[in-house]
Amino acid sequence: AQTVTQSQPEMSVQEAETVTLSCTYDTSENNYYLFWYKQPPSRQMILVIRQEAYKQQNATENRFSVNFQKAAKSFSLKISDSQLGDTAMYFCAFMKPWGAQKLVFGQGTRLTINP
Amino acid sequence: DVKVTQSSRYLVKRTGEKVFLECVQDMDHENMFWYRQDPGLGLRLIYFSYDVKMKEKGDIPEGYSVSREKKERFSLILESASTNQTSMYLCASFAPGQGNEKLFFGSGTQLSVL
Repeated sequence: AQTVTQSQPEMSVQEAETVTLSCTYDTSENNYYLFWYKQPPSRQMILVIRQEAYKQQNATENRFSVNFQKAAKSFSLKISDSQLGDTAMYFCAFMKPWGAQKLVFGQGTRLTINP
Repeated sequence: DVKVTQSSRYLVKRTGEKVFLECVQDMDHENMFWYRQDPGLGLRLIYFSYDVKMKEKGDIPEGYSVSREKKERFSLILESASTNQTSMYLCASFAPGQGNEKLFFGSGTQLSVL
């Protein structure tokens, strides 16, 4: 079974700083999808970024980028020029590309951006 | 955009009550999910469904059941609510095989069992 671990329960940075959230996972699959979801106080889960394991290039979405290390089974999220609106819970998640496709989530990291 | 609607944002029930949480999606997605979210534990999968009248147990199905009579609707049922089922419940839907796989979530139901 796949597992996802986020070892930072809480993080706090100043506005405009860069912050990196850590995520590791365990799987015997060679191909899979990895995700970062954001959950602001509104509780709505928002997809931040998606990575396909067979793609070596790290995914980026504006100020958000990932460092995908397949051999190390690591998938960290970097937020550049952090903004107050980035304050949220962040969840790392794993999905197989076939069969019983379902998201397996990490424990979450509560990120606070301070003015 | 896909819309996943959960019928209640907040719900307060008493121990022993039968509780129904309803979820409707408007994009003809085959796959639907119920997750439970607790602090420090992340989201844990309760049940999921690949098609009408089909269901699969997730990681924590005990005390829950589900119903999917129509493709767009997936209901979570607490047969006899208990205080340890106080939690946030999130519904999601998903269409596999489109090359851009991602789950779409409802805005959650905060359930309190007293």
